[in-house]
Amino acid sequence: EAHLVESGGGLVQPGGSLRLSCAASGFTFSNYAMSWVRQAPGKGLEWVSAVSGGGGSTYYADSVKGRFTISRDNSKNTLYLQMNSLRAEDTAVYYCAKDPPSSGGYYYYFDYWGQGTLVTVSS
Amino acid sequence: EIVLTQSPATLSLSPGERATLSCRASQSVSNYLAWYQQKPGQAPRLLIYDASNRATGIPARFSGSGSGTDFTLTISSLEPEDFALYYCQQRNNWPLTFGGGTKVEIK
Repeated sequence: EAHLVESGGGLVQPGGSLRLSCAASGFTFSNYAMSWVRQAPGKGLEWVSAVSGGGGSTYYADSVKGRFTISRDNSKNTLYLQMNSLRAEDTAVYYCAKDPPSSGGYYYYFDYWGQGTLVTVSS
Repeated sequence: EIVLTQSPATLSLSPGERATLSCRASQSVSNYLAWYQQKPGQAPRLLIYDASNRATGIPARFSGSGSGTDFTLTISSLEPEDFALYYCQQRNNWPLTFGGGTKVEIK
């Protein structure tokens, strides 16, 4: 069974940077698209970014475009999210999430999620 | 950006009752819609994908229907563990978007 573990969250000042990591196990990592989804305290879910299995295609929410960069290292079964120019409104639990199995291509739904890592942007 | 509007915001029902949750898209998403369940302090769980396909391990009391702009998640007979938040999500267009959620609470 797939297992995802996020790390790298913490307290950062506005304008600062953080790099989140998501260690994956239990599945062939390179075969699946992966995403980051966040949830501000007491709020709903917001998709942040996605990357294809090979890493060649990346997608971003408008709210983070130009500030966040998604990447993956398939040799290490790890997904990353580099977050720069952080703002107070980026405060949230960040989840990494895996695409479901498909017979071809990607769904860009989320069938396995990590436990989340909290990012707090505050002075 | 496709906006997903979920209704009602809160649904108050008793165990054993039928729950009907709605998700309306601001433009057609074909059948590219999923439903998730989230309980407090937990990550979401995929219930339904492509409007009507149950995800692995999801009980048959959960069903999804709809296409285009109007979608429904039905829980045929509520179990105690079904009281939770439910979100819809579309994948027809970038950016991917979620609805605002429906809370199913015990009456």
